[in-house]
Amino acid sequence: DTEVTQTPKHLVMGMTNKKSLKCEQHMGHRAMYWYKQKAKKPPELMFVYSYEKLSINESVPSRFSPECPNSSLLNLHLHALQPEDSALYLCASSQDSRGGIHEQFFGPGTRLTVL
Amino acid sequence: AQSVTQPDIHITVSEGASLELRCNYSYGATPYLFWYVQSPGQGLQLLLKYFSGDTLVQGIKGFEAEFKRSQSSFNLRKPSVHWSDAAEYFCAVGAGNYGGSQGNLIFGKGTKLSVKP
Repeated sequence: DTEVTQTPKHLVMGMTNKKSLKCEQHMGHRAMYWYKQKAKKPPELMFVYSYEKLSINESVPSRFSPECPNSSLLNLHLHALQPEDSALYLCASSQDSRGGIHEQFFGPGTRLTVL
Repeated sequence: AQSVTQPDIHITVSEGASLELRCNYSYGATPYLFWYVQSPGQGLQLLLKYFSGDTLVQGIKGFEAEFKRSQSSFNLRKPSVHWSDAAEYFCAVGAGNYGGSQGNLIFGKGTKLSVKP
């Protein structure tokens, strides 16, 4: 299984809502990532988890809260978002050899609209 | 600092014509290089990668890329484009250790490929 799955595919939420994005992989990867992608732009890294521990937070506002319950799952909890947070949110995973570079496998993304 | 430049924002080619998408990188050591493709509203799919060895790498869907250290380039090529190749293409460089564990990817701004029938 070389697939990264993400749910939901689409999400519309108000600025006062709380919602969560989910990501799952069964490739035995130990590094997982959240990216944000605005239209016609490359993905921007938000968070990296390595062996279920948060290793990188790219100065993301606290209204985004990541969680890695186990090595296969990655969540992104959303609260009090702003309209400018509307974007495609991509999850990715890769091997983690604690020193090497490996290709990242991306999920299909969640299209988030904040009203 | 590491960076990736894709000079062409948008390229249009006729179906059946050859394709070359340009990518230049800035990186102090031997780079780890990737090409990804993204169809509208979809995730990124890895086309090919270069880590070391043969400088001409073959990927999926008939794509290939050539690493040229002297030119700091990693251009993507395809001899005959199909209409289904219309998409956004991103070149990326692996930025080395980051936080002591997994390396990060730095993406170029992307090149949008349109295919004329």
